[in-house]
Amino acid sequence: DAKTTQPNSMESNEEEPVHLPCNHSTISGTDYIHWYRQLPSQGPEYVIHGLTSNVNNRMASLAIAEDRKSSTLILHRATLRDAAVYYCILRSAAGNNRKLIWGLGTSLAVNP
Amino acid sequence: DTGVSQDPRHKITKRGQNVTFRCDPISEHNRLYWYRQTLGQGPEFLTYFQNEAQLEKSRLLSDRFSAERPKGSFSTLEIQRTEQGDSAMYLCASSSRGGGKNIQYFGAGTRLSVL
Repeated sequence: DAKTTQPNSMESNEEEPVHLPCNHSTISGTDYIHWYRQLPSQGPEYVIHGLTSNVNNRMASLAIAEDRKSSTLILHRATLRDAAVYYCILRSAAGNNRKLIWGLGTSLAVNP
Repeated sequence: DTGVSQDPRHKITKRGQNVTFRCDPISEHNRLYWYRQTLGQGPEFLTYFQNEAQLEKSRLLSDRFSAERPKGSFSTLEIQRTEQGDSAMYLCASSSRGGGKNIQYFGAGTRLSVL
């Protein structure tokens, strides 16, 4: 699986939008971009995924650059419950891809 | 939908003892994964089952570790002769499909402390 690069930490204020960046310059054409988050003392939780087009769901939006070498997870109005570590992961649609390969993620702090 | 369930949530053991963890996946999911996570790190893949077949094992899974998934339902992860380095959070996940759209649903984990 191709590698992703994320900032170690970010900070936001409650009720403001948050943009979490991810660089994946070695992404291949069949790689999906997935985001998970992990709240303190809990297991990881799926947030969103996309291939080429921007995606929206009830939790967040995913903006994918035209060349697909970077993406941004957007939380439209941060709440205190959004404080977590956010992981950007690439998953190949080809072959017997099974496991998720995790980096260190971005630790998001939300200020009241 | 009860989600992925792991038992126990916490386990404290003495070095050299054997421990066993259980994972109950989401009922219609045929794929099951075990990961290990140490403080400040992302999860590391340990092993993968499709139904009852163990199809992939990480080099992290030494011969002291064994995982089973009888009948393709729940799974157990056993660690024999525990060492202090085994102290970690053990996470279980399940999914209904593979490939690029594979979404894995995680349990809350079992935190192991080896004294």
